[in-house]
Amino acid sequence: GNSVTQMEGPVTLSEEAFLTINCTYTATGYPSLFWYVQYPGEGLQLLLKATKADDKGSNKGFEATYRKETTSFHLEKGSVQVSDSAVYFCALARGSSGDKLTFGTGTRLAVRP
Amino acid sequence: DAEITQSPRHKITETGRQVTLACHQTWNHNNMFWYRQDLGHGLRLIHYSYGVQDTNKGEVSDGYSVSRSNTEDLPLTLESAASSQTSVYFCASSEGADRTNEQFFGPGTRLTVL
Repeated sequence: GNSVTQMEGPVTLSEEAFLTINCTYTATGYPSLFWYVQYPGEGLQLLLKATKADDKGSNKGFEATYRKETTSFHLEKGSVQVSDSAVYFCALARGSSGDKLTFGTGTRLAVRP
Repeated sequence: DAEITQSPRHKITETGRQVTLACHQTWNHNNMFWYRQDLGHGLRLIHYSYGVQDTNKGEVSDGYSVSRSNTEDLPLTLESAASSQTSVYFCASSEGADRTNEQFFGPGTRLTVL
């Protein structure tokens, strides 16, 4: 079946540090890949997505590239801010009908001033 | 603006009671989903619906039921609440059957079963 594996958290960084959160997946065929972010006390919201191999999703300074050869979709940001503190979820969607998501366990990021 | 709302935001109940969590969306989306969020598990799919009168089981559906009588609402019912169902519950919706579509999430309901 489908599965998503994320690096364990929490990740604690100083402001302006470089961020990488690793995500690998298992799925047959060609899933769509997503990063969702959950700010404290809120629901999840889409951060970025990629729908085919070698696509790069980007938003708010975050980037992730769909690597089929390594089945990975690592999230990166060159310079994090305190406001980026949140929980980040990697997810995939694969199916002939609809778009059910399979989520990773989430990675909590804390950014210190 | 279109939105997706959940109520109540917090609920404390006792083992064995029936509980219903409400989800209402004004996006006019066909697809609606219920997830539970637990530490170490991320979000897991409970039930989902692709339209009125359509409901389907997800990976953790035991002890839960849903009904879809209109486009806007997908209430989640716990028939007989158990302590293992203490969790945060999220409702989501999306448009169409395309696997590239974004899901829009509600703010969540924190349920405690004593």
